[in-house]
Amino acid sequence: QKEVEQNSGPLSVPEGAIASLNCTYSDRGSQSFFWYRQYSGKSPELIMFIYSNGDKEDGRFTAQLNKASQYVSLLIRDSQPSDSATYLCAAPTRSASKIIFGSGTRLSIRP
Amino acid sequence: NAGVTQTPKFQVLKTGQSMTLQCAQDMNHNSMYWYRQDPGMGLRLIYYSASEGTTDKGEVPNGYNVSRLNKREFSLRLESAAPSQTSVYFCASSLGTGDYGYTFGSGTRLTVV
Repeated sequence: QKEVEQNSGPLSVPEGAIASLNCTYSDRGSQSFFWYRQYSGKSPELIMFIYSNGDKEDGRFTAQLNKASQYVSLLIRDSQPSDSATYLCAAPTRSASKIIFGSGTRLSIRP
Repeated sequence: NAGVTQTPKFQVLKTGQSMTLQCAQDMNHNSMYWYRQDPGMGLRLIYYSASEGTTDKGEVPNGYNVSRLNKREFSLRLESAAPSQTSVYFCASSLGTGDYGYTFGSGTRLTVV
């Protein structure tokens, strides 16, 4: 089992709808989780991080963490064409020496 | 602008040639990383440096070497390039390991023919 798993997509969502991206992780000791956005041909950009169970909101983005079920999700409200990108979930290793990335979910917002 | 600077942005090598990818950050970060990204494989860690003076292997270190020259600079060397090393290489830095988010450079697109 990979340490961080994501559905590769593509996930197609109509403009204005809510996009829901999911990620599962295998290490119960993981304490923090990150969401990165990567546009085609560009480098990953950190958009959200979450440490505690529950929800964390930042503008149109909400990160949700459920440690008991070992999943973390990213909700994007009022999806815009500019949200079309690959979204990478990441979590630190047990030793916390580095972060492991999922393979990413490609999101496409259709007008 | 503050951030992570990688050079070069593009490079074509012949099999067996060597080269060094340069990375520098000006955010006073302690930790630095080298990743490669291939289609369908996600980001794979090659080497990292948790702090100045230390380096450690990641998932895919074979064929690469690194040098943490000082706190700002972390270079990646390919001693004898192979077509399997054709990839996009990203350098990243963070304040610390694990629980800190990474800032990525713009990447180097390397083709080995």
